[in-house]
Amino acid sequence: GQQVMQIPQYQHVQEGEDFTTYCNSSTTLSNIQWYKQRPGGHPVFLIQLVKSGEVKKQKRLTFQFGEAKKNSSLHITATQTTDVGTYFCAGQRLLWGGSNYKLTFGKGTLLTVNP
Amino acid sequence: DGGITQSPKYLFRKEGQNVTLSCEQNLNHDAMYWYRQDPGQGLRLIYYSQIVNDFQKGDIAEGYSVSREKKESFPLTVTSAQKNPTAFYLCASTNRTGEYEQYFGPGTRLTVT
Repeated sequence: GQQVMQIPQYQHVQEGEDFTTYCNSSTTLSNIQWYKQRPGGHPVFLIQLVKSGEVKKQKRLTFQFGEAKKNSSLHITATQTTDVGTYFCAGQRLLWGGSNYKLTFGKGTLLTVNP
Repeated sequence: DGGITQSPKYLFRKEGQNVTLSCEQNLNHDAMYWYRQDPGQGLRLIYYSQIVNDFQKGDIAEGYSVSREKKESFPLTVTSAQKNPTAFYLCASTNRTGEYEQYFGPGTRLTVT
């Protein structure tokens, strides 16, 4: 079945340093979504990438979708303590013969920031 | 104020007992989902429903059951057949099955001893 691998599993940075998490799918995706889960909270949608090679920015966050639509990355510039949490990618693909999509989550990257 | 509610936030049960987790949404979403989250394991899909009175098994459905009698409600029963029921359970919904963002509820942390 489809697998979505995400690395690293953990990342600890000093405040002000950059952070990147990478996501790789075993199959070509229709789109990829990114979520953030604060400690003790629930996942919250950040963004969706659909087009091959797409790059989107949200303030200090930059999201990329690979040309082959099998990998993606999230880069945070100059981390802040408010960035702490687990970042999940979720790859979506259209199921064969239907109009249904299957969303598969990566295991997430836990980011901690030392002030 | 639209959203998804899950209750209770914390739930404790003895081994061998069935327990039902509540999930209600007032977003008028068609599709609803149940996920299980364990430390370091990400989110794993248990069951999902695209429409009232219809639901499908996800990747880890064994030991769980669901119903979808109303559009707003998608309760999950953790049965005594589930070997490792202690986990954080998250309910989510989308306005259509497919390429749309998922809205998550606050979750229920179930502990079975």
